[in-house]
Formats: sequence, C-alpha cells, structure tokens
Amino acid sequence: SQQGEEDPQALSIQEGENATMNCSYKTSINNLQWYRQNSGRGLVHLILIRSNEREKHSGRLRVTLDTSKKSSSLLITASRAADTASYFCATTPRGSSNTGKLIFGQGTTLQVKP
Amino acid sequence: GAGVSQSPSNKVTEKGKDVELRCDPISGHTALYWYRQSLGQGLEFLIYFQGNSAPDKSGLPSDRFSAERTGGSVSTLTIQRTQQEDSAVYLCASSLGLAGAGANVLTFGAGSRLTVL
Repeated sequence: SQQGEEDPQALSIQEGENATMNCSYKTSINNLQWYRQNSGRGLVHLILIRSNEREKHSGRLRVTLDTSKKSSSLLITASRAADTASYFCATTPRGSSNTGKLIFGQGTTLQVKP
Repeated sequence: GAGVSQSPSNKVTEKGKDVELRCDPISGHTALYWYRQSLGQGLEFLIYFQGNSAPDKSGLPSDRFSAERTGGSVSTLTIQRTQQEDSAVYLCASSLGLAGAGANVLTFGAGSRLTVL
C-alpha cells in the first residue's frame, strides 16, 4: 500500500494566489521529499525535509512537517502558470531494512490559470 | 552522462511478448530505482539497487518482472509474457546514495511508455 496520500487530489487557482497541498503518511520516517512532475515527463526534486525539522523554505516553496500528525504541507506562494504540474510527496519509512525504499503518494494536480 | 537516460521512450508490444527497458543512471550514483506509473496515478515502487548489496525487489508485482544492474551502472527491467495491465510508464531514477540516508534525492529519467495491445 502507498505510504503517502496527498490532499487535495486536484487544485485550481488563479495566478498570484497561494497553493497549499497536504501529505499524510502512515509510519515513522527518515525524511520526506516533494517532487514535481510536468505532464508527460519525469519527476523533479523540489525540497527535502528531515524528520527532525519542522519547516523549510526554498524560493517560493515552504514545506512544513508535523511528525506527531504524520503530515506535511507544501505551500507555493505567488503562483505562476508555469507552476501547473502534479506534485508528489515521498517518504522513506524508518528502519534499517527500509532505508532505501522511497514511497510516493498519489499526487496533487495543480492548475494555475493565467 | 548529465542525466538519467531511459530507452526506449515508447514501446508498443503484443500481449504475451517479452520486453526489456533500459536505464543508464548518472555516473557515480550508487543507488538506482525503478517505478511504474499508470495513467493519472502515483508512482508504484518496483525495485531498487544499492552498490553491491542485494536489491530490494519487494515491489515487483509478479514473477514476470525482473531487473538486473550490471557493473553497478546500467540496469535492465524485463517483463516476460506481457499483459495489458502492464501498460504504464516505467520510470528509472538514480541517487548518490539510498533515499533514506542523509539528504539523498532522486534524479529521474523521462520514462519508458509501454503499451501492451
């Protein structure tokens, strides 16, 4: 079964607005990563947050992590039409035997209208 | 190479045929991953390789699926006796180390789109 689940499944906003996507996971993790996928292409890494971190920023991206709730959020500020893509969270379950297995959620499809 | 290279980019085959998908990772990356993505869905983990360690095959959906990584570099994913439900995009990714260790992140290839008729 998938480790992560994103919410909402789809999001449509106007250019300039902020977009927030949420991710919930089931087991303790080593880190949580967010990736972006443009239609018909491979995934591109956006940001990684470790299990002992609570918030991280990268440009217009802000990621939070709440390990007590097993959830993370990705905020994109001042969205642009070029941000239109699918966004996935991915986690590595904690435990020496699972250190390498990066499990992806189902993704959130974001549409930013110009 | 500069990125992860996958071939073929598109493959159409008939049900029952065998297919091989190739992945050329970034030079120096010790970890290599295969995922499957059905239309409009998330990524399904298939297998990963790390250096000379035994691969984690826990995601392979059936014994028709197998993968090899030769010389710690190029990997081949083989699907025997293909079925229509095998139709998907197969994504390969590589990383300097295992995803759960430190801050290792995955670099993905563009994928191989498999269509089984």
